[in-house]
Amino acid sequence: GAVVSQHPSWVICKSGTSVKIECRSLDFQATTMFWYRQFPKQSLMLMATSNEGSKATYEQGVEKDKFLINHASLTLSTLTVTSAHPEDSSFYICSARDTAGRLGMAGELFFGEGSRLTVL
Amino acid sequence: KQEVTQIPAALSVPEGENLVLNCSFTDSAIYNLQWFRQDPGKGLTSLLLIQSSQREQTSGRLNASLDKSSGRSTLYIAASQPGDSATYLCAVSSTSGTYKYIFGTGTRLKVLA
Repeated sequence: GAVVSQHPSWVICKSGTSVKIECRSLDFQATTMFWYRQFPKQSLMLMATSNEGSKATYEQGVEKDKFLINHASLTLSTLTVTSAHPEDSSFYICSARDTAGRLGMAGELFFGEGSRLTVL
Repeated sequence: KQEVTQIPAALSVPEGENLVLNCSFTDSAIYNLQWFRQDPGKGLTSLLLIQSSQREQTSGRLNASLDKSSGRSTLYIAASQPGDSATYLCAVSSTSGTYKYIFGTGTRLKVLA
C-alpha cells in the first residue's frame, strides 16, 4: 500500500520553543495533505488541510499562527508548532491522498505513523 | 457539519465471541467510510474501506456494512481474539471534493483470554 512517513516519531521540547513535524508521501504525489491531532483517549480531530503551493485551510478553533503549515512540494508537508506549551502535547498524525488516483480506492487517505509531542 | 458517533465507547468480551461495533454519521452525503484500528500509542491501521456506492466489504474475520440513507455503518468481528484488543475508529469523507476524513469517537475493545 501507499506509504506516508512522519518525522520525528516522537519529540520532547521545552515550553516556548518551536517544533517542526514532517509528513512525506513516499511513493505518490499529494497536492493535499491533512493534519490531525489526538489527545489521550480521544479520537482524531482534523486541524487543517494542507494545500501544495497555497495556504492551508484551518478548521474552526485551530490557531493558524500557532500551527504553521507549509506544503512546498508534492510530497512534503510540514507542521510547525510555534511557542509550544504543555497543552500542545499531543499525538499529531498526517494523511495524504494519491492525487493521480493510482493508489488505493477513490478518495482513500493514507496515514502516517504519527508524531508524539511532549512539551515540558 | 458532519458528526460521527460510535457506540459502544468501550467493550469487554470473552475470547471467541462475535461482536458488532456501530458507527453513525449525521450527513449522509459521504464519499467513503473507512474503519481503522489503533493500538495504544500507535498510528492507524486501515481495516476496511466502503465506497458510498457499496453496501459492505469483507476481510477475513471482519465485515463492514454501510447504510448511507440511515447514516450507519457496522463492523462485525467474528470469533474475537485477544489480539483484536484495540481502539476501533470509523471515519467518513464528504462529497465536497476535499476528501477530508471526519473521525468517530472510537470504541475501545478488550478481548479477554
